[in-house]
Amino acid sequence: AQSVTQLDSQVPVFEEAPVELRCNYSSSVSVYLFWYVQYPNQGLQLLLKYLSGSTLVESINGFEAEFNKSQTSFHLRKPSVHISDTAEYFCAVKMPGSQGNLIFGKGTKLSVKP
Amino acid sequence: GAVVSQHPSRVICKSGTSVKIECRSLDFQATTMFWYRQFPKKSLMLMATSNEGSKATYEQGVEKDKFLINHASLTLSTLTVTSAHPEDSSFYICSARGGRETQYFGPGTRLLVL
Repeated sequence: AQSVTQLDSQVPVFEEAPVELRCNYSSSVSVYLFWYVQYPNQGLQLLLKYLSGSTLVESINGFEAEFNKSQTSFHLRKPSVHISDTAEYFCAVKMPGSQGNLIFGKGTKLSVKP
Repeated sequence: GAVVSQHPSRVICKSGTSVKIECRSLDFQATTMFWYRQFPKKSLMLMATSNEGSKATYEQGVEKDKFLINHASLTLSTLTVTSAHPEDSSFYICSARGGRETQYFGPGTRLLVL
């Protein structure tokens, strides 16, 4: 069975500072990896995903995540955050070929302060 | 991008009554939709997978007679919480499967059973 651990429940940072949100997973088989973001009072939105190929994936708003198989990690990073990045971030895994069952971490609340 | 709506966004009901939550894909057809439940400070837990025109597939531990799922069209799935009790109070989120391993999430419905 797969599981996802997001060690940090809350991450407060100042605007323009770099940030890393940690995600580790456990699985006996290869998995697909995802980061979703949930802004206040909105649904989850896909931020980026790793299916295969390059281990470094990027989103259109400056976030990136690197798949590290040996460390079973998929940490999310951004070199300079904005106030508008304040949101809840969820890491998730999915077993290839499964119908669509996403296994989520508990989420990390990113709070960007001026 | 694809949009998924949920209605209502918030509902308060008395113990013993039934509550229906609607999940709609607004600009695409979804043969598969998913229902999740989210507890405070915990992960999203998959409750069931809803396939258009067929019976839903429930996850282990989820009572199918209590959480009735109907996916009657390619744009609508409903979750009915029957004979609701206070322990059913939670945040219910639906999603619809899109292409390339992507799920599009609704904004969620907060249920409070008194």
